[in-house]
Amino acid sequence: NAGVTQTPKFRILKIGQSMTLQCTQDMNHNYMYWYRQDPGMGLKLIYYSVGAGITDKGEVPNGYNVSRSTTEDFPLRLELAAPSQTSVYFCASSLSSIHEQFFGPGTRLTVL
Amino acid sequence: GQQLNQSPQSMFIQEGEDVSMNCTSSSIFNTWLWYKQDPGEGPVLLIALYKAGELTSNGRLTAQFGITRKDSFLNISASIPSDVGIYFCAGQLIQGAQKLVFGQGTRLTINP
Repeated sequence: NAGVTQTPKFRILKIGQSMTLQCTQDMNHNYMYWYRQDPGMGLKLIYYSVGAGITDKGEVPNGYNVSRSTTEDFPLRLELAAPSQTSVYFCASSLSSIHEQFFGPGTRLTVL
Repeated sequence: GQQLNQSPQSMFIQEGEDVSMNCTSSSIFNTWLWYKQDPGEGPVLLIALYKAGELTSNGRLTAQFGITRKDSFLNISASIPSDVGIYFCAGQLIQGAQKLVFGQGTRLTINP
């Protein structure tokens, strides 16, 4: 099993550009999550999903969108990139709400 | 939103020393988790605590869930070079999905 994979590893965007951060898990987990980690800070939840077709907002959802058309994939979309979205983005998955979350390696995004 | 206060922010110790870090919150959590993050990687779960007062060990790591459910500590005994990294506490409220609130992290540096 590859676990949780994220692409790309690094990306530089110009203000106003859009992009999709990809996340895939091969553990057949129902729950998936997107976090952002700003320098010197803990992770903050952007969006989460409890199963295919179901998504919900986390603590910091503004400026982002998600979809969950399959169990394996949970892409995060930035429509109009802003400098405040410069961060490291982590995707995670868990079998259920009481099971351990497994994290991907992260995507480092810079918006200039 | 809910916040966790984690301290210290950083620690510089000698190899072989013991380490102690803690998290406090103004909110009550049902679960406390401790993660370690290596450079360029996502967080990895070290210890999970599910009951107030619970004391759990994982090798040289020991963590406790405070009886007020508003705090937790992590101890590392006889530190070794591979303990270097950032340690995060996280609290979870059981509300259908595993929404975690993270502390700011403790950066551990070990001098050989």
